[in-house]
Amino acid sequence: TQLLEQSPQFLSIQEGENLTVYCNSSSVFSSLQWYRQEPGEGPVLLVTVVTGGEVKKLKRLTFQFGDARKDSSLHITAAQPGDTGLYLCAGRMGSGGSNYKLTFGKGTLLTVNP
Amino acid sequence: GAVVSQHPSWVICKSGTSVKIECRSLDFQATTMFWYRQFPKQSLMLMATSNEGSKATYEQGVEKDKFLINHASLTLSTLTVTSAHPEDSSFYICSATGAGGYNEQFFGPGTRLTVL
Repeated sequence: TQLLEQSPQFLSIQEGENLTVYCNSSSVFSSLQWYRQEPGEGPVLLVTVVTGGEVKKLKRLTFQFGDARKDSSLHITAAQPGDTGLYLCAGRMGSGGSNYKLTFGKGTLLTVNP
Repeated sequence: GAVVSQHPSWVICKSGTSVKIECRSLDFQATTMFWYRQFPKQSLMLMATSNEGSKATYEQGVEKDKFLINHASLTLSTLTVTSAHPEDSSFYICSATGAGGYNEQFFGPGTRLTVL
């Protein structure tokens, strides 16, 4: 059973289009992180959301954490070829102490065509 | 931001040999390090969590005798794939997190292992 359901798994769009990636769970997370990974490299953290209902913006990327802290979304406006990559959501269920274990979604492979 | 390095970045070995992969935190002390494996176009799968000076905690289904993890210092953890087989070929990624409220995991660049 996948703790974090991420959708869509694959997405191919044209430059300039908008898109949304979803990350859903039946479990409550203390925080949720979004990463972007390029082939042959490690994931790079984009954002961390910790408060239910929180919205964070990073240039053309908008991240939202659900009110119940069970789901999150990533919206990209006017996608560019440079946005191409594997987008991963990851949730942490514990808080504080040494409970830093992350649970990853399956990822969304985004291709933005020029 | 904190930097995590891995060495080697890629390795090719013969079936039956052992391979050691190093993970280093370059500018912070990593009390906890994580090892993941990733297959092409798939997500990261946590293999084990290691805390400095103690035995690693392995995820269900991961053979601890095959994937030996040592976290001997606050800046270095190693993963040794023993008696490697072609099915062990994968992208191995480590991450590290520090003490004192450092909740973020900093990821290394990964190591591509190919077993012939």
